[in-house]
Amino acid sequence: QLLLQESGPGLVKPSETLSLTCTVSGGSINSISHYWGWIRQSPGKGLEWIASIYYSGSTYYNPSLESPVTISVDTSKSQFSLKLNSVTAADTAVYYCARHTRGVGATLLGVFFDHWGQGALVTVSS
Amino acid sequence: DIQMTQSPSSLSACVGDRVTITCRASQSISTYLNWYQQKPGRAPNLLIFAASSLQSGVPSRFSGSGSGTDFTLTISSLQPEDFASYYCQQSYSRPLSFGQGTKLEIK
Repeated sequence: QLLLQESGPGLVKPSETLSLTCTVSGGSINSISHYWGWIRQSPGKGLEWIASIYYSGSTYYNPSLESPVTISVDTSKSQFSLKLNSVTAADTAVYYCARHTRGVGATLLGVFFDHWGQGALVTVSS
Repeated sequence: DIQMTQSPSSLSACVGDRVTITCRASQSISTYLNWYQQKPGRAPNLLIFAASSLQSGVPSRFSGSGSGTDFTLTISSLQPEDFASYYCQQSYSRPLSFGQGTKLEIK
């Protein structure tokens, strides 16, 4: 059974960097049929897709995010990671890592999230 | 960006009721629409993909329909475990986006 588990600090100070890691077990992060992504959920903005990455390092980002974002993958550790720079209180949310299907062509067309981690609450506060 | 609007935002119903939730896209998205169920304190769980395809393991009382801009999720006979929040999500264009959710409560 595929399992995804988020890890990282639960409290981050404003203007600092939020860093989270997702560890994949029970399946291969090198799947040719899937991407790995981050989604967050807050009372104010609901569910918001942040970014996705393929095992080869190919990435997609949500251009609407205000904080600079970087997603990366380490296949040797079966992990992928998220970094949000210069965070504000608006970045306070539950952060989920998830797997989604590979889209049509080199796009996100038709993708859906079929496995999710349990979520990690990150609070931005001084 | 494509905006997804769900209605109603909340809904009260009884066990055994037939329930329909609507999702409208701000532009045509063909059938690139997915539905998720979320229970308190848990991650969303995929119910329907491509507007009408039932995810493996999901009970057949759940069904989806629609294309273009208007979509529906129907639960044919509500069970106690179905009281949760439901979200639609479009995968027609980047950024991927979700509806604001519909909270289904027990009447």
